[in-house]
Amino acid sequence: QKEVEQNSGPLSVPEGAIASLNCTYSDRGSQSFFWYRQYSGKSPELIMSIYSNGDKEDGRFTAQLNKASQYVSLLIRDSQPSDSATYLCALLKIGSARQLTFGSGTQLTVLP
Amino acid sequence: DAGVIQSPRHEVTEMGQEVTLRCKPISGHDYLFWYRQTMMRGLELLIYFNNNVPIDDSGMPEDRFSAKMPNASFSTLKIQPSEPRDSAVYFCASSSDTNIQYFGAGTRLSVL
Repeated sequence: QKEVEQNSGPLSVPEGAIASLNCTYSDRGSQSFFWYRQYSGKSPELIMSIYSNGDKEDGRFTAQLNKASQYVSLLIRDSQPSDSATYLCALLKIGSARQLTFGSGTQLTVLP
Repeated sequence: DAGVIQSPRHEVTEMGQEVTLRCKPISGHDYLFWYRQTMMRGLELLIYFNNNVPIDDSGMPEDRFSAKMPNASFSTLKIQPSEPRDSAVYFCASSSDTNIQYFGAGTRLSVL
C-alpha cells in the first residue's frame, strides 16, 4: 500500500461545477497535510494546508481532514478553466523532520 | 524574497558528461530538499539538508549522484557520469518552521 494514495484521474468537470479531489494515507501518525497545485511544465505551489480535523476554507478552496478515516480532500467551488492542473496531496509524518510525503497527483481538467 | 532560485532552467548534455544543478534557497529557511520528477515515478525525494547538513540521502538513486550544501544560501546536485535515464525535471525546495515547502522553478535535464 502506498503511503499516500490519489486517484490519478484525469478528472473532468464543467466550468462552474464543484471539483472534488481525494487523498488517503496509511500512517495514522501523520500530522500535517498540504495540497499543492502543479500546472503543466511548472513547479508545485502550495494552495492549502490543514492540521486538524474538519474543514478549512480559503476562497473557492476547501480542505477537509478526517484523521479517523485517514483521508483528506480538496473541494474547488465554481471551478474555472484556470484550475486545470495536477493536484498533489502531501503529508508530514511524525518523526520525519520536515520531510513531506507526496502522492502521485490527480490531473484535473475544467471544461469551458 | 525572490523565492527558491534554480539554475540552469534547461540542461541538455550527452551521456557520460558531468551535470551540476544549482539551488539558492529562500533566505532564513533551514531545510533544503532536492526532488526528481518524471511521468513514470512522480515526485521523488532525493536528499535533504538541515542547516547545511545532509539528513537523509536514501533517495539518491546511485553513487553517480551527489549533493552538497557548502553554506546556507547554496546547494548543488551533481550527476557524474550522466545517463539517459537521468532525464527528468529536478526541483529544489526549501522550508522553515512552518513545514511548508517552497519549490524552485526546476531544471529540465535531457541526457542524450
